[in-house]
Amino acid sequence: GAGVSQSPSNKVTEKGKDVELRCDPISGHTALYWYRQRLGQGLEFLIYFQGNSAPDKSGLPSDRFSAERTGESVSTLTIQRTQQEDSAVYLCASSSTGLAGTGEYFGPGTRLTVT
Amino acid sequence: DQQVKQNSPSLSVQEGRISILNCDYTNSMFDYFLWYKKYPAEGPTFLISISSIKDKNEDGRFTVFLNKSAKHLSLHIVPSQPGDSAVYFCAASLGAGGTSYGKLTFGQGTILTVHP
Repeated sequence: GAGVSQSPSNKVTEKGKDVELRCDPISGHTALYWYRQRLGQGLEFLIYFQGNSAPDKSGLPSDRFSAERTGESVSTLTIQRTQQEDSAVYLCASSSTGLAGTGEYFGPGTRLTVT
Repeated sequence: DQQVKQNSPSLSVQEGRISILNCDYTNSMFDYFLWYKKYPAEGPTFLISISSIKDKNEDGRFTVFLNKSAKHLSLHIVPSQPGDSAVYFCAASLGAGGTSYGKLTFGQGTILTVHP
């Protein structure tokens, strides 16, 4: 596809269950980031991948959160033992440069609801 | 601790008039600022940016102003059009040399409605 895609678009899960969110970046984009937006809040940085460099995980809120990306392909964000405060829209973005505002493209997001 | 704040959750403007969206920040180390626009069910899209070495950047109908001493930036849209109706986010980064890799701190967003 032409843009960043994310799946699923919506996910409702019970507290304590694990969830996996997927991001398909634009082909050839070396940079990929995950953000989340909780209700009434701004977008919150979670993790950043750039090529084969070690990812910047400084935004992950707890060790229940992890993300993987193989090369310049798909990324998955995994949340273990979900809590109600994990409910948010999870946004993925990719960029050919990694420089903010020069061509990063956001996906439509995955709306996660933890009941 | 909200380092970037948009204190107006919403703004309503008549078509053809000026829209002014405001943003305040607390971290004096931020040196690159951006505005994004978001339509429902879509991801944010980049609109305009400004480096901390400047106080104004203009792109067509969009102008961003930066007041470093006040830690305040604003986005002016003139003339406003109904298609501008969206959520607008300001964002800031700790980049160097006026650029930044993609780790951004966002405000909460302001819903702009432009009435025909």
